[in-house]
Amino acid sequence: AQSVTQLGSHVSVSEGALVLLRCNYSSSVPPYLFWYVQYPNQGLQLLLKYTSAATLVKGINGFEAEFKKSETSFHLTKPSAHMSDAAEYFCAVSAASYQLTFGKGTKLSVIP
Amino acid sequence: KAGVTQTPRYLIKTRGQQVTLSCSPISGHRSVSWYQQTPGQGLQFLFEYFSETQRNKGNFPGRFSGRQFSNSRSEMNVSTLELGDSALYLCASSADRVSNTEAFFGQGTRLTVV
Repeated sequence: AQSVTQLGSHVSVSEGALVLLRCNYSSSVPPYLFWYVQYPNQGLQLLLKYTSAATLVKGINGFEAEFKKSETSFHLTKPSAHMSDAAEYFCAVSAASYQLTFGKGTKLSVIP
Repeated sequence: KAGVTQTPRYLIKTRGQQVTLSCSPISGHRSVSWYQQTPGQGLQFLFEYFSETQRNKGNFPGRFSGRQFSNSRSEMNVSTLELGDSALYLCASSADRVSNTEAFFGQGTRLTVV
């Protein structure tokens, strides 16, 4: 069985501030982890993925995430928020099954 | 390279009717998955097809069904629609559905049941 918990359904940051979106997972086998972003009325776009290579993963648009097995976490960060980062972000896990299990999502607001 | 195409984008149906949604994957992709997105339940896995075979199914009633054609295009069908079926239905395609392969999503079909 696999599950994902995203802490904070809504996060607000000032433009230029650090973005930190939290994700914890549960998996009975070594997981593959993903972060997706969704803009209003759009599908999901992949930001980055962890597939058991480097634990620090760099993605698109300046985002990165660090896989910490001891903490079962895969938090998403960006050093400096931009207005265009305002969207909903989803963490997902895939582990030995043909499906993605998503967290509930975190809406990111960027304050000018 | 064209992305995942879902048709129609918007749909309004009446309770009790049935509906068919279509998904054309990225060229060369053989795996297609379907997800339901609602404000209350979030993103939930419906089913996944690979080379016309259903490999995995989520926890949805039998009213939800799908199929995949030899050209990898997929359809999902919902019969006897209920108000609770109103949702954004997302299709995703992958080159293969090994667990570490990323899925590429379409823009979704917004289904409203009245």
